[in-house]
Amino acid sequence: GAGVSQSPSNKVTEKGKDVELRCDPISGHTALYWYRQSLGQGLEFLIYFQGNSAPDKSGLPSDRFSAERTGGSVSTLTIQRTQQEDSAVYLCASRRGPGRRMETQYFGPGTRLLVL
Amino acid sequence: GDSVTQMEGPVTLSEEAFLTINCTYTATGYPSLFWYVQYPGEGLQLLLKATKADDKGSNKGFEATYRKETTSFHLEKGSVQVSDSAVYFCALSGGLDNAGNMLTFGGGTRLMVKP
Repeated sequence: GAGVSQSPSNKVTEKGKDVELRCDPISGHTALYWYRQSLGQGLEFLIYFQGNSAPDKSGLPSDRFSAERTGGSVSTLTIQRTQQEDSAVYLCASRRGPGRRMETQYFGPGTRLLVL
Repeated sequence: GDSVTQMEGPVTLSEEAFLTINCTYTATGYPSLFWYVQYPGEGLQLLLKATKADDKGSNKGFEATYRKETTSFHLEKGSVQVSDSAVYFCALSGGLDNAGNMLTFGGGTRLMVKP
């Protein structure tokens, strides 16, 4: 596709359930990022994938959060045992590569997660 | 660590007014600076960027100049339109503490333009 796509666009779940959020980056982009946008915390970095390197997980808020990227393309963010404070918009972004000239990140429309 | 501070909103202006949204940053090294815009119901879009000191980014009538001496990247537009109503985010990446080039965002400034 032409841009970054994310699914679902909206997700409502009950506290304690697990959820999976999907991101399809722009074709050929080797770098992929997950961010979270919430009222209290603004926009915050969660995790970063670059090619086949080990991901940078330094932004994940707890061990209930994990992500994987299969085949260097699609990524799934999983939140286990969801809590109400996990309610936020989860944004995915991709970038052509690691170099300075390829540094612009392109964002998907986000997944709005509501934990009841 | 890196940080970005931008003026809190909302900023309410009449159409054709002059816009300034202040943004200052803290980072080591030579980060790149960005303005992203989020229109109602839409995702983040890159508005403009600058990659080194004294560079000016511009797009859609918006401008911002990378000022290393004042660590600032203020967003300006000479004449705003109702369609500019959105939330604007200042961001940086590529500081020395940031090998992964993840974006560090300011808190966002909501702009409302009235006809």
